Amino acid sequence: AIQMTQSPSSLSASVGDRVTITCRASQDIRYDLGWYQQKPGKVPKLLIYATSGLQSGVPSRFSGSGSGTDFTLTISSLQPEDFATYYCLQDYNYPPTFGQGTKLEIK
Amino acid sequence: EVQLVESGGDLLQPGGSLRLSCAASGFTFSNYWMHWVRQAPGKGLVWVSSITNDGSGTNYADFVKGRFTISRDNAKNTLYLQMNSLRAEDTAVYYCVRDLDPSSSSGYWGQGTLVTVSS
Repeated sequence: AIQMTQSPSSLSASVGDRVTITCRASQDIRYDLGWYQQKPGKVPKLLIYATSGLQSGVPSRFSGSGSGTDFTLTISSLQPEDFATYYCLQDYNYPPTFGQGTKLEIK
Repeated sequence: EVQLVESGGDLLQPGGSLRLSCAASGFTFSNYWMHWVRQAPGKGLVWVSSITNDGSGTNYADFVKGRFTISRDNAKNTLYLQMNSLRAEDTAVYYCVRDLDPSSSSGYWGQGTLVTVSS
């Protein structure tokens, strides 16, 4: 199975900061990567599909990039509602695998 | 409006069985692969099982293979997960997911149903 490794596992930041979360795949997954946001007690929400596609309704401060094995999720200017846990997901090869999550906390 | 409504979660003892259901509405159910993803308390997301749009193909995570069975009834717009020989480590919220493909923008998750396995 392809392993997805996110870094950092947790991150403290302030409102207005620019934040980058990284996801590394254990083998080439082309562009077959998505990013989810999950708030406590809530359903995961798709933010980014196909590495850089912005899901409908998601603010433009979220962006994704990368290819092959290295991918990033960037939040250009953190807002209070962005403090959550973020997961990457691949299904280039079965089984689909998620990263372990990055918890974004308020500094 | 797209809706996925899971049901069937419960508290049961190790070794028990349970069937989860996911009622779909607001879209053409038979057009989509469907999936179950679980999340243990305080832990991350883990894929459990997938089924093709016509039900002809299924996939399972190794840790449920031989114990869980995914199925669907396209006439009833319903997805199922039959869970047998349950273990404490199967305790989780189980989400029904439409189109988990990360290259697609049509993914949609249900609210989840809690399965607790404890003696």
